[in-house]
Amino acid sequence: TQLLEQSPQFLSIQEGENLTVYCNSSSVFSSLQWYRQEPGEGPVLLVTVVTGGEVKKLKRLTFQFGDARKDSSLHITAAQPGDTGLYLCAGSRTDSWGKFQFGAGTQVVVTP
Amino acid sequence: DAGVIQSPRHEVTEMGQEVTLRCKPISGHNSLFWYRQTMMRGLELLIYFNNNVPIDDSGMPEDRFSAKMPNASFSTLKIQPSEPRDSAVYFCASSKGQDGGRTQYFGPGTRLLVL
Repeated sequence: TQLLEQSPQFLSIQEGENLTVYCNSSSVFSSLQWYRQEPGEGPVLLVTVVTGGEVKKLKRLTFQFGDARKDSSLHITAAQPGDTGLYLCAGSRTDSWGKFQFGAGTQVVVTP
Repeated sequence: DAGVIQSPRHEVTEMGQEVTLRCKPISGHNSLFWYRQTMMRGLELLIYFNNNVPIDDSGMPEDRFSAKMPNASFSTLKIQPSEPRDSAVYFCASSKGQDGGRTQYFGPGTRLLVL
């Protein structure tokens, strides 16, 4: 059983559409991270959120950390083919210093 | 700047053989992590070191797996003997600092296939 549940597992959209992926848990996290992984490469960090209710924007990407610090979402506006990849969330709990646990990921495919 | 370096990039071996994966973290980083990624289980943390000392090895699947970090610039993950179910992509990551919001930098991974 994954500590962090990501949904959906797979998402295929057309260029220009918006999408949202979710990361949920019953545990409270001191920080939560979002990564993007492309085929044949390691995950690359997109953002870290640490405060409940926090919203961070990275160009067309908007990240939100839930008020209770148990869930997060990633919203992409006007998706582009370059946004294609596996999106992973990872959480660090207050009782497991420095240790991040990853969700299973959401595979996003953006077609031209 | 060089990122995390892993070798080999690909490894094909037969069941029962010893496999050694290598990692060179980013210079100046004091934490190192070994992960395993499979389709079935996703990305799993195997072990992590802080200042060359193993902090948490609870993710190491069994005694066949061992990891060492003899100095700040080198770590190995060894599987002996290897089994087909060990086939996966193994990632090494490093980070700097001690707070929970630090950035982990991942290497390109080693694709291991055990026949």
